[in-house]
Amino acid sequence: KNQVEQSPQSLIILEGKNCTLQCNYTVSPFSNLRWYKQDTGRGPVSLTIMTFSENTKSNGRYTATLDADTKQSSLHITASQLSDSASYICVVEGNQFYFGTGTSLTVIP
Amino acid sequence: EAGVAQSPRYKIIEKRQSVAFWCNPISGHATLYWYQQILGQGPKLLIQFQNNGVVDDSQLPKDRFSAERLKGVDSTLKIQPAKLEDSAVYLCASSGTGWAQYFGPGTRLLVL
Repeated sequence: KNQVEQSPQSLIILEGKNCTLQCNYTVSPFSNLRWYKQDTGRGPVSLTIMTFSENTKSNGRYTATLDADTKQSSLHITASQLSDSASYICVVEGNQFYFGTGTSLTVIP
Repeated sequence: EAGVAQSPRYKIIEKRQSVAFWCNPISGHATLYWYQQILGQGPKLLIQFQNNGVVDDSQLPKDRFSAERLKGVDSTLKIQPAKLEDSAVYLCASSGTGWAQYFGPGTRLLVL
């Protein structure tokens, strides 16, 4: 069964700290993996897109990694800011898009 | 470039009423998606259009949901009649020739 699982479900960190979000998937065939940031009341916004051959991709303070062998991805946020508070959704594209349920991140001052 | 536009942003209706949502994708994007996002969950694809043709509507509850994209540009999603469990955010997204999928702000529906 094609699934995308994210952990943790929610996370609270202090401003300035780093954090890592996890995404495990069982989607096959695999085309690409995407990380989205979704602010409350808004649509998701793309952070990174990685294909099978890409191990890491950065977008500012966001760095995503992909291990296609173990079917795992992580999103690392460096020096968190209050504006990073949002849901982070992992999406795997195979024959269709498979969405994780997201990690809710809260950054507190 | 202008993003994906959706309207209305919010809608409150009573069960058994009808409701329609509108989406205008990014200019030139051939692919348009409608998603349903229930609170605390990831988006679920309802229907995918390629120009004015349906690519995937396998998860669309066709007894009450319908969608069209007659001219291959903007699209409408209709629910008739609405049920309590239809309360959710309805997201429209579009994509062009590249990988990226761009989402609109969503329409938040509350069915009472």
